[in-house]
Amino acid sequence: DTAVSQTPKYLVTQMGNDKSIKCEQNLGHDTMYWYKQDSKKFLKIMFSYNNKELIINETVPNRFSPKSPDKAHLNLHINSLELGDSAVYFCASSPTGGAGEKLFFGSGTQLSVL
Amino acid sequence: GENVEQHPSTLSVQEGDSAVIKCTYSDSASNYFPWYKQELGKGPQLIIDIRSNVGEKKDQRIAVTLNKTAKHFSLHITETQPEDSAVYFCAASRRTNAGKSTFGDGTTLTVKP
Repeated sequence: DTAVSQTPKYLVTQMGNDKSIKCEQNLGHDTMYWYKQDSKKFLKIMFSYNNKELIINETVPNRFSPKSPDKAHLNLHINSLELGDSAVYFCASSPTGGAGEKLFFGSGTQLSVL
Repeated sequence: GENVEQHPSTLSVQEGDSAVIKCTYSDSASNYFPWYKQELGKGPQLIIDIRSNVGEKKDQRIAVTLNKTAKHFSLHITETQPEDSAVYFCAASRRTNAGKSTFGDGTTLTVKP
């Protein structure tokens, strides 16, 4: 049983399209995150939600809109995709979102914008 | 904000040798320092962590040391095996910035059989 699962695993699309990535965790955690990993493997936080409430919103273009229908789900919608959006996007969760907590990562969604 | 620097960016060792990866952080309020291992095609997984009230922690072949004064911490892997080959990330976070870990840029470790 996968703890943090995200779909799709691969996403290939044209510039200008709108796409969504879904994430679900079955760990009972209160906090979920989206991280972006670029081609150099750098990991940067994008958003975090605690019990459906936005907690962290890094400097991310407003074409990216996270949505959390409940605390077990955090989806990422991207409008008007650009070449620079190509990356691997990781969903993660942690028990309460407090400092000093282990992050549980999904296996990633590789987004390729052509 | 917090800045975490990680060295080296790539590391190649012979099987059985030791590997050391070092990180420095800038925010003296940081108090939690995890290390994650990312295998090809997978998400990062926590392998060991240390809190600021401890100077060293060991778990079988891996150990982490923390020097709060110098603001640096290191990952030590002994008796390396080919399955240790992966990208390793250090991170730092602090109590007043709940949930936001700043990651180092990663170290690609290759263990040659």
